[in-house]
Amino acid sequence: NAGVTQTPKFRILKIGQSMTLQCTQDMNHNYMYWYRQDPGMGLKLIYYSVGAGITDKGEVPNGYNVSRSTTEDFPLRLELAAPSQTSVYFCASSRGGRYYGYTFGSGTRLTVV
Amino acid sequence: AQSVTQLDSQVPVFEEAPVELRCNYSSSVSVYLFWYVQYPNQGLQLLLKYLSGSTLVKGINGFEAEFNKSQTSFHLRKPSVHISDTAEYFCAVSDDDKIIFGKGTRLHILP
Repeated sequence: NAGVTQTPKFRILKIGQSMTLQCTQDMNHNYMYWYRQDPGMGLKLIYYSVGAGITDKGEVPNGYNVSRSTTEDFPLRLELAAPSQTSVYFCASSRGGRYYGYTFGSGTRLTVV
Repeated sequence: AQSVTQLDSQVPVFEEAPVELRCNYSSSVSVYLFWYVQYPNQGLQLLLKYLSGSTLVKGINGFEAEFNKSQTSFHLRKPSVHISDTAEYFCAVSDDDKIIFGKGTRLHILP
């Protein structure tokens, strides 16, 4: 099983550009999450989804958008990239939110210049 | 909202020595706690979790954690560390449908 697959692994964006970070899981998990990780700050939740067609904001949603049209895919969209969005982004999935742990992807390292 | 506090940002320890990584959680009627490990340039992996029952939880790679309700703590321990344990460790707590992570503790293994 591939688990959670994130693409691309690395990306450099110019200020104001847009891009989509892709996330796909093959475990039939209903719950999916996007986190960003900054040095010394741990992981901050951006958006999450408890099933296809349902999304909710996390702690730091500004500047991002998501959609969940299928169980497998949960893309994260950056519309107008800003230097503050330079970070490592992790997608994760779970069978359920409260009792189960997450399966993480390997991350996307994004630099905005 | 639930939260966790990791008391040490970095912990140096000699190889084959014991280690304890400290974590405190915000008090709640019921709490579900996790420890994750992140090796360099990788995603996070689940080490262990506490949902209920025995307060001593055993995880992978020889790690264990003890749930202490009176002290609202969930410290991670290993009796003898190896160079391969060099990583960042995150304590986390369930909050409704999502997990809230601490800021992480970087474990440095000294030769």
